[in-house]
Amino acid sequence: GAVVSQHPSWVICKSGTSVKIECRSLDFQATTMFWYRQFPKQSLMLMATSNEGSKATYEQGVEKDKFLINHASLTLSTLTVTSAHPEDSSFYICSAQTGATNTGELFFGEGSRLTVL
Amino acid sequence: DAKTTQPPSMDCAEGRAANLPCNHSTISGNEYVYWYRQIHSQGPQYIIHGLKNNETNEMASLIITEDRKSSTLILPHATLRDTAVYYCIVRVAPDDKIIFGKGTRLHILP
Repeated sequence: GAVVSQHPSWVICKSGTSVKIECRSLDFQATTMFWYRQFPKQSLMLMATSNEGSKATYEQGVEKDKFLINHASLTLSTLTVTSAHPEDSSFYICSAQTGATNTGELFFGEGSRLTVL
Repeated sequence: DAKTTQPPSMDCAEGRAANLPCNHSTISGNEYVYWYRQIHSQGPQYIIHGLKNNETNEMASLIITEDRKSSTLILPHATLRDTAVYYCIVRVAPDDKIIFGKGTRLHILP
């Protein structure tokens, strides 16, 4: 089945630094990718929709200047948390749509756990 | 906002069928019902989806009521590895975004 990979799977950084998380679709082309954030014991919260070659669409309340999303190719989207602070510590998950099928499945990455000290 | 309502938690004995209900009374005619599950500290895993008809795959069965206002996910023979949070989602497929509700935490009892 389709595979979505995230890197790194976990990262620890100092407050004020920026962190980049990569999301790759390994065996299919994804015109659309989604980024989610999940705090402990809570559900996934959609942050933004990323379309290849265009600007991301952010959900209400998500700061686009803080969470930079780039979708430069059909197999790669990146999320950069700029000037990270401890409240940005969370589990970040990406997902990708398989445009080549009509099953409508959305595949998720393994997640990236960010800890900001 | 999520358009579904699920019980926060359920228990099921190992080896028995797990029946997870979901209410989606405001579902529109072109919206699909999707089910995902999330095992602790992992990304969500796709289970099944459907529009009107009941669906079955190697993981589960999806029963959708005739008025489409509710559905049930059935895991036919639950194992301990099925312990997870199960999310029922409505989506205008295949291009619309997926909004997660709170899901049902399924506990499989040995």
